[in-house]
Amino acid sequence: DTGVSQDPRHKITKRGQNVTFRCDPISEHNRLYWYRQTLGQGPEFLTYFQNEAQLEKSRLLSDRFSAERPKGSFSTLEIQRTEQGDSAMYLCASSSGPLYGYTFGSGTRLTVV
Amino acid sequence: QKEVEQDPGPLSVPEGAIVSLNCTYSNSAFQYFMWYRQYSRKGPELLMYTYSSGNKEDGRFTAQVDKSSKYISLFIRDSQPSDSATYLCAMTGSGNTGKLIFGQGTTLQVKP
Repeated sequence: DTGVSQDPRHKITKRGQNVTFRCDPISEHNRLYWYRQTLGQGPEFLTYFQNEAQLEKSRLLSDRFSAERPKGSFSTLEIQRTEQGDSAMYLCASSSGPLYGYTFGSGTRLTVV
Repeated sequence: QKEVEQDPGPLSVPEGAIVSLNCTYSNSAFQYFMWYRQYSRKGPELLMYTYSSGNKEDGRFTAQVDKSSKYISLFIRDSQPSDSATYLCAMTGSGNTGKLIFGQGTTLQVKP
């Protein structure tokens, strides 16, 4: 296993378009997290899955954002009607316990023009 | 006020120097404290992990937690140019979610 994989690495989109990102966690990890990191800031928690259940969502996750983890494997994060303020690095992490083996992917960098 | 405060730097030191990085926090429920290193255009990677107060050493890295002062530190001895990166502190409570609260990150440059 090569760690947490995120696709695409970089996405440029026009304002108002929808985008979808994918995260493939480490295979034996049942927990999956999404974070958002803007330039010069630390990552901010967005949402958390345990298996296929989405157990917590941040207030940062507006109605334009939706995340899924069908069958408890890979996860997708969709942003509808993108805004320039959505430009950020979107990081995915997975773990096999609350903190055990917590591993981040390299992120998807979103640029909204 | 943010739950976790970290001086963003940048911090520039000569090779071989001892580096001290710090974070303060306001939430007394935090029990687990971590330091991550993040290179440009990469995800954070875990350096050190400490539960509650005390010190932990791993090679050139030492993490300290003082819960009474709500203050955590990371020391890097014999700093190397390859240590140049952004260092993020992160912490979480005793709940079961694993949601991490990060500091802003400190950018470190170690000059040869």
